[in-house]
Amino acid sequence: LAKTTQPISMDSYEGQEVNITCSHNNIATNDYITWYQQFPSQGPRFIIQGYKTKVTNEVASLFIPADRKSSTLSLPRVSLSDTAVYYCLVGDIGYYGQNFVFGPGTRLSVLP
Amino acid sequence: DSGVTQTPKHLITATGQRVTLRCSPRSGDLSVYWYQQSLDQGLQFLIQYYNGEERAKGNILERFSAQQFPDLHSELNLSSLELGDSALYFCASSVDIGQPQHFGDGTRLSIL
Repeated sequence: LAKTTQPISMDSYEGQEVNITCSHNNIATNDYITWYQQFPSQGPRFIIQGYKTKVTNEVASLFIPADRKSSTLSLPRVSLSDTAVYYCLVGDIGYYGQNFVFGPGTRLSVLP
Repeated sequence: DSGVTQTPKHLITATGQRVTLRCSPRSGDLSVYWYQQSLDQGLQFLIQYYNGEERAKGNILERFSAQQFPDLHSELNLSSLELGDSALYFCASSVDIGQPQHFGDGTRLSIL
C-alpha cells in the first residue's frame, strides 16, 4: 500500500510559480498519481493525473521522475484564489482490492 | 459544480443510531467511491463500486456498508454510530476505473 508524504504547508506570493512535492516510495507498478485541490467546505477538485515523465494541462504541470518515488505539482503564476489544500492521490487503475491513498495534504497560502 | 450530488448536506444524530447517505454520480460515470474526511485522519478511502459491483475496499468499518443500485446511485449506511464517526463523507465518481474522480460537496455528519 503506497504511503504518501507532503509538506504540511507552503506560502507563496501572487505571480510566483509554486512546486509541491509528494513522496510515495513504495508506489506500485499499476499506480497512477493524481493531484486534487480542496477549498473549505467543498469536495476535492481534480487538477492533473500522470503515470510517468511530465504531464501538462491548462492549469498545472506534473513532473514524475523515472523511479516514480515522488511527484511534483507545479502551479505557474499563482493567484490569491489558489489558496487551498492540495492532495496527491496514489491509486491503482484496475487491480481488484487496491486502495486509494491520499496524502496528508499541503495547505498553500498565496499572499498579495 | 462537479455533477456529483450528495444528500443530505448536513446530518445530526445521536450515538447508536443508523443513517444513510446518498450519492448520485455524474451522468455517464460507472464508478462510485466513498471517502471519510475528519480533522485528525485526512481523506480516508472507504469503498469503491463499479457498475453495481464492489471493486475495492479501504478502511471501512464493519458497522458501515454501501451499495450501488442499477441506476448507478449509491448509498452509504452507517450504523451503531459513535462520536468518532463525526466527519465529512464524500462521494466521488469516475467514468471508468483509473479515470480522475469527481467529488461531491459531501455530507457533514455530526454525532451528539
